[in-house]
Amino acid sequence: QLQLQESGPGLVKPSETLSLTCTVSGGSISSSSYLWGWIRQPPGKGLEWIGSISYSGNTYYSPSLKSRVTISVDTSKNQFSLRLSSVTAADTAVYYCARAFDDTLTGFYVFDYWGQGSLVTVSS
Amino acid sequence: QSVLTQPPSASGTPGQRVSISCSGGSSNIETNTVNWYQQFPGTAPKLLIYSNNQRPSGVPDRFSGSKSGTTASLAISGLQSEDEADYYCAAWDDSLNGWVFGGGTKLTVL
Repeated sequence: QLQLQESGPGLVKPSETLSLTCTVSGGSISSSSYLWGWIRQPPGKGLEWIGSISYSGNTYYSPSLKSRVTISVDTSKNQFSLRLSSVTAADTAVYYCARAFDDTLTGFYVFDYWGQGSLVTVSS
Repeated sequence: QSVLTQPPSASGTPGQRVSISCSGGSSNIETNTVNWYQQFPGTAPKLLIYSNNQRPSGVPDRFSGSKSGTTASLAISGLQSEDEADYYCAAWDDSLNGWVFGGGTKLTVL
């Protein structure tokens, strides 16, 4: 059974950089059939896609966050990571990592497996 | 403000059929497939419907999805108390070149 687990600091100061890592177990991150992504959810609000990465390092970022986001992959550790710079209180959210599979019938990717989420609070 | 528009709330009594709408545009729902997620408080979203109307293994056939033009719908028949949750639609947006989500619908089972 595939599992994803987020890890990283739960508290980040304003203007600093938020860093999270997602460790994948029960399956390999090195498959061309999947993308790996980050989605966040501010307290009491809806879901927002941050960005995604392939095992080979191709990245796709949300236009609204692109200037501050970096997603990277480490296939040797079966992990991928998120860095979000210059954070403010508006970046306080539960951050989820997730896998997207390639629905070959339609050509679109679908997020199917999600981590349990990691609450990151931006505060001094 | 979400790119995809959902009603903030919906409700029904046990056994009823409930439908939740998701309205988008020509760059997302009209041309791309729609997925639906179910989320209970304090837990991660769970994939409920993908590619407009496909159910992942283990999802009861009480849940169904459909799409017409720029609007997608999630229907739940034979409503049960354990269906009380938040439901989100999602689709790829060609203009934004990324995934977009609806604002979510809180379903209450009366």
